[in-house]
Amino acid sequence: SAVISQKPSRDICQRGTSLTIQCQVDSQVTMMFWYRQQPGQSLTLIATANQGSEATYESGFVIDKFPISRPNLTFSTLTVSNMSPEDSSIYLCSVEQMGTGELFFGEGSRLTVL
Amino acid sequence: GQSLEQPSEVTAVEGAIVQINCTYQTSGFYGLSWYQQHDGGAPTFLSYNALDGLEETGRFSSFLSRSDSYGYLLLQELQMKDSASYFCACYNTDKLIFGTGTRLQVFP
Repeated sequence: SAVISQKPSRDICQRGTSLTIQCQVDSQVTMMFWYRQQPGQSLTLIATANQGSEATYESGFVIDKFPISRPNLTFSTLTVSNMSPEDSSIYLCSVEQMGTGELFFGEGSRLTVL
Repeated sequence: GQSLEQPSEVTAVEGAIVQINCTYQTSGFYGLSWYQQHDGGAPTFLSYNALDGLEETGRFSSFLSRSDSYGYLLLQELQMKDSASYFCACYNTDKLIFGTGTRLQVFP
């Protein structure tokens, strides 16, 4: 199993500002995934972060809005840039247990944009 | 595109059995997973079906029919603590895509 620490756990931000969410894993992993979950909704994949290369973004998500860093095999950050109230959501970091089809999730970062 | 459809809500009473269905459309399929998420919590893994048939883990079982692009999660002997959202999910190459989610409410 993997233990994932995410911070901040929650934050309230002003429109137009940016927030960086950190994700720390207790073991080395190849891929890290960033998901967004809007209130009462399912999880939507934002991007896949690979160490040593640029993140791969899903349709509807762009690097300028959600820049991602992956400096090593245990850490990643997601920045939500130029925030608007529509960005209010829970952002989740996850990693895969190789070969099992199982994802482990951090506790999430609940973001409220005023 | 890829989609996984689930009923939005299911209700049941303690001790009952409930089935949560998932129908999927995907260009590549590597198996179906199920996750549970309590309010305010992170999703946690329940099961994974790579092959057709039934997988049983305690009170929870999961079924897959690849020919029908269909699966379900079966919860037996329901308990109040089973009240949560349940998501099916499948891989599209190396990334996991989640279904629309089903909110299960268990009543005394």
